[in-house]
Amino acid sequence: GAVVSQHPSRVICKSGTSVKIECRSLDFQATTMFWYRQFPKQSLMLMATSNEGSKATYEQGVEKDKFLINHASLTLSTLTVTSAHPEDSSFYICSATDRGGNSPLHFGNGTRLTVT
Amino acid sequence: DAKTTQPPSMDCAEGRAANLPCNHSTISGNEYVYWYRQIHSQGPQYIIHGLKNNETNEMASLIITEDRKSSTLILPHATLRDTAVYYCIVRVVDYKLSFGAGTTVTVRA
Repeated sequence: GAVVSQHPSRVICKSGTSVKIECRSLDFQATTMFWYRQFPKQSLMLMATSNEGSKATYEQGVEKDKFLINHASLTLSTLTVTSAHPEDSSFYICSATDRGGNSPLHFGNGTRLTVT
Repeated sequence: DAKTTQPPSMDCAEGRAANLPCNHSTISGNEYVYWYRQIHSQGPQYIIHGLKNNETNEMASLIITEDRKSSTLILPHATLRDTAVYYCIVRVVDYKLSFGAGTTVTVRA
């Protein structure tokens, strides 16, 4: 159980365009989802916390107008990278928990974004 | 969140137990210890977590010292597929999960 699915797994886009990444909890409801970014040979960096039905909370240094997060239902959160630039090329990963409390977060398999 | 300290890398032999240490000397009473691993180009995989008692599941065992200032993840019989970056994280209930640099574990045949 507790499967998190991300789509697409890979995407290539041109500079200046926008890209949407979906994160779904397949067999549970996720009140809260988290979005991470990982650059090559680095650890995961938390970008934002997404709560169903309310505005996301962004970590310091993350531009909320560039990385739009929508958590419209208990099973779906989306991250839209707006006006993408090559420096936005990265591995984006979402996670969610099914029960809260000390229950572990489960992660999607990530989306590799390449901006040309 | 309390910081954790892990060795940057370690090697272990296939079929042998792998013992991964983690120091978290500033851990608070309400912080749990979580272990995740990340195989190249995949999302992190949950392994195990605990508060103060030792824990075991089908993947690994977690040994937490009595003062909770350190812990050890034990992979009982390492296989080549266990080669990954292993992250030890302390986290308050319902709070975000923050990743450090982790330990790169290489299992050798």
